[in-house]
Amino acid sequence: DVKVTQSSRYLVKRTGEKVFLECVQDMDHENMFWYRQDPGLGLRLIYFSYDVKMKEKGDIPEGYSVSREKKERFSLILESASTNQTSMYLCASSLTSGGRNNEQFFGPGTRLTVL
Amino acid sequence: SQQGEEDPQALSIQEGENATMNCSYKTSINNLQWYRQNSGRGLVHLILIRSNEREKHSGRLRVTLDTSKKSSSLLITASRAADTASYFCATDPLNQAGTALIFGKGTTLSVSS
Repeated sequence: DVKVTQSSRYLVKRTGEKVFLECVQDMDHENMFWYRQDPGLGLRLIYFSYDVKMKEKGDIPEGYSVSREKKERFSLILESASTNQTSMYLCASSLTSGGRNNEQFFGPGTRLTVL
Repeated sequence: SQQGEEDPQALSIQEGENATMNCSYKTSINNLQWYRQNSGRGLVHLILIRSNEREKHSGRLRVTLDTSKKSSSLLITASRAADTASYFCATDPLNQAGTALIFGKGTTLSVSS
């Protein structure tokens, strides 16, 4: 079974701190994704990556950056955390990005609170 | 960019009843997928239906796809309390290689015993 793990289930940070959220998948998937999920807004795509060192902006990239130095690891970085970044962050991976085999496998999520 | 819209937003039923959720989308697709999310957890993939398929079954799940109406439905038969969760549809846009799935906002299903 595909396993996607996220570094923390719960995280509390202060405004202005730099925050790293780590995601690791163990199935050699090409594609990895970061979403945030807020009540009433559903899942919103922040960034995704379809190859090592490649990244694409999603719908809401402002205030975030990403890093993919290795195929299995995709990091989300909040350069200077703000209270409006308090949210549930979900990482996902998929074998391909279009057509066949693009089912996404999700990690358990990180609930981030910025005070 | 939100493509899928689930309907209803919330659904409450009794154990043993069937639950039907609908999804409408805007652009042509390669496939449409349904996911389940238990409270406070990540999403779990349930079923994928390709654009050239009209119906697909998996256990108690039945998914239909009508590409002419750009809509899909998810039917859960003989619901159980364990089916209580949020359900999301996600579309894979056609002719947009290297893009991500587009998720709807979800239907929250509550099954009471």
